[in-house]
Formats: sequence, structure tokens, C-alpha cells
Amino acid sequence: GQQVMQIPQYQHVQEGEDFTTYCNSSTTLSNIQWYKQRPGGHPVFLIQLVKSGEVKKQKRLTFQFGEAKKNSSLHITATQTTDVGTYFCAGRGGSNYKLTFGKGTLLTVNP
Amino acid sequence: EAGVVQSPRYKIIEKKQPVAFWCNPISGHNTLYWYLQNLGQGPELLIRYENEEAVDDSQLPKDRFSAERLKGVDSTLKIQPAELGDSAVYLCASSSEVGELFFGEGSRLTVL
Repeated sequence: GQQVMQIPQYQHVQEGEDFTTYCNSSTTLSNIQWYKQRPGGHPVFLIQLVKSGEVKKQKRLTFQFGEAKKNSSLHITATQTTDVGTYFCAGRGGSNYKLTFGKGTLLTVNP
Repeated sequence: EAGVVQSPRYKIIEKKQPVAFWCNPISGHNTLYWYLQNLGQGPELLIRYENEEAVDDSQLPKDRFSAERLKGVDSTLKIQPAELGDSAVYLCASSSEVGELFFGEGSRLTVL
């Protein structure tokens, strides 16, 4: 079945440093979504990427979708303490458009 | 606009007891999902509904788990009997077609 892998599992940075998390799918995806989950909270949608090679930006966050539509990345420039949380990618693929989540990357930021 | 509403937020039961979770999705959202999330893990799909129809229940342990969405609106997820390994957060989400998922706060289950 479809598998979505995310690395790293954990990332600790000093405030102001950059952060990147990577997502890889075992199959070609129709689209990919990114979510953020604060400690004790629920996943909150950040963005959806659909097109091959697509790049989208939200302030300090940059999202990329690979040319083969099997990988994606989220890059945060100059992290802030408000960026703390777990970032999940979720790939949609297959004949039934199943959405499969990665295990997430937990980001902690030292002020 | 109200978000996805789940209840109860917390439930503590002894093993072999039954438990049920309820979810009311965002109005107008035809697609409803139940996910299970263990600590430090990503959400894992249990079942997905399109209106009243369960279109993907391949990951639902049908020997003890059941779900229903009778009128295509709210939904219940039941576990009977519960086992120790069922302790987790049960997340309900809804979406319109294949768009973004809106998650509820989750129901945290502890099985003793």
C-alpha cells in the first residue's frame, strides 16, 4: 500500500535558524498536503500542492512538490518560538484518493 | 462557522468495556474521516465516508471496531471490547470533496 515517509523525526534549532522537513512517497501522488500540530492540539491545514514542481510560499514557510510528484519539502526561514510543533505531510493517491500521513517532524525552537 | 465537534474529549475505561465516540462535521462537508493517532505518530486512517457510504474501511479492525454515519451527517465510532492497545487519540475530520481536512479536537481514550 501507499507509504509516506518523513525525515527527520525530530529537529531542535536555535531561534533564527532555518528548518527543513522532507517527505517521500512510495507511489506517485495526486497532491500533497501539509499540516501543523501544536503540542496538545489537533492537526491544522497549512497548504496543498498539486502540480509537478510546484513551489508555494506563506511568509517564512516555503513548500515544494517534486517533479515526479513523489516527494515534498517544507522549509522555514528564521524560525521563531511560535513555529514549535509537529509538521505532517499527507499524500493523496491511488484510485480511491486515500490520504496517507507521514509520521511527522517535531520541531522545537530554543529562544 | 462551527468547526468539527467531537465528544467526549477524554474517556477512561477498563479493558473489555465498550466505548463510543461521536463526531459532528462541518456543515456541508460530505466527506468524514476517523483517524487514530498514537503518541509521536501521524494520524492513521480508520475509515472514510462519502455521505453515508464507507468508501475506505480497509484499516478498520472490524472484529472490535464499528462506525456508522446513518444520515450522512454526524458519525459514531465504537469499540467493543476495548483492549489496552486501543489507548490513543481518535480524531474526526471532515472535508469538502478532496480538499483540506478540518480536524476536531480529538477524543483521548485511556484503557486500563
